[in-house]
Amino acid sequence: QQQVKQSPQSLIVQKGGISIINCAYENTAFDYFPWYQQFPGKGPALLIAIRPDVSEKKEGRFTISFNKSAKQFSLHIMDSQPGDSATYFCAASIQGGKLIFGQGTELSVKP
Amino acid sequence: SAVISQKPSRDICQRGTSLTIQCQVDSQVTMMFWYRQQPGQSLTLIATANQGSEATYESGFVIDKFPISRPNLTFSTLTVSNMSPEDSSIYLCSVAEYEQYFGPGTRLTVT
Repeated sequence: QQQVKQSPQSLIVQKGGISIINCAYENTAFDYFPWYQQFPGKGPALLIAIRPDVSEKKEGRFTISFNKSAKQFSLHIMDSQPGDSATYFCAASIQGGKLIFGQGTELSVKP
Repeated sequence: SAVISQKPSRDICQRGTSLTIQCQVDSQVTMMFWYRQQPGQSLTLIATANQGSEATYESGFVIDKFPISRPNLTFSTLTVSNMSPEDSSIYLCSVAEYEQYFGPGTRLTVT
């Protein structure tokens, strides 16, 4: 019930392509769904987050799509760049509490 | 967004010793958390650091091994006690305001 399942585990995309990472959850009490980007040796950086009152949120090249009925949310990276190569984590929490993380996706963008 | 600093950024420690990690935030925050990230893995919550009271530990983590202090709303410490090589991880503090942010992490190697 507290799990967040993330896929794929790894992803290779050509420069300029679209990267798509998916997450699914069971607990309908989750009300905060952030995505974090982590480079080797660094802490996770908040990339974009959504709350269940909206179905989509866009910030620059990054978009979260949220499907409340399916209990799924996804990250889309448009026009992917080699600098986007990193590990991405989805997460979920209830009322600003502890985050439950997905397993992570290692993204590699080839030039 | 909150600016979070951690000390030390990395350390190499001997088995059986203890290390105290400091987390400083540039503003007062109610919710502060400590996470562990083992090599190549996702993030796992150790405990919620409560100001003025004992920390709330997750299953599998105990106060004797990971004592936490939270003397005020901008500072917390996590001690990793009686270390073994299995404690080699990145330790991260996080704060929750409207969004949740992470510090840069402390990379601990136990030999």
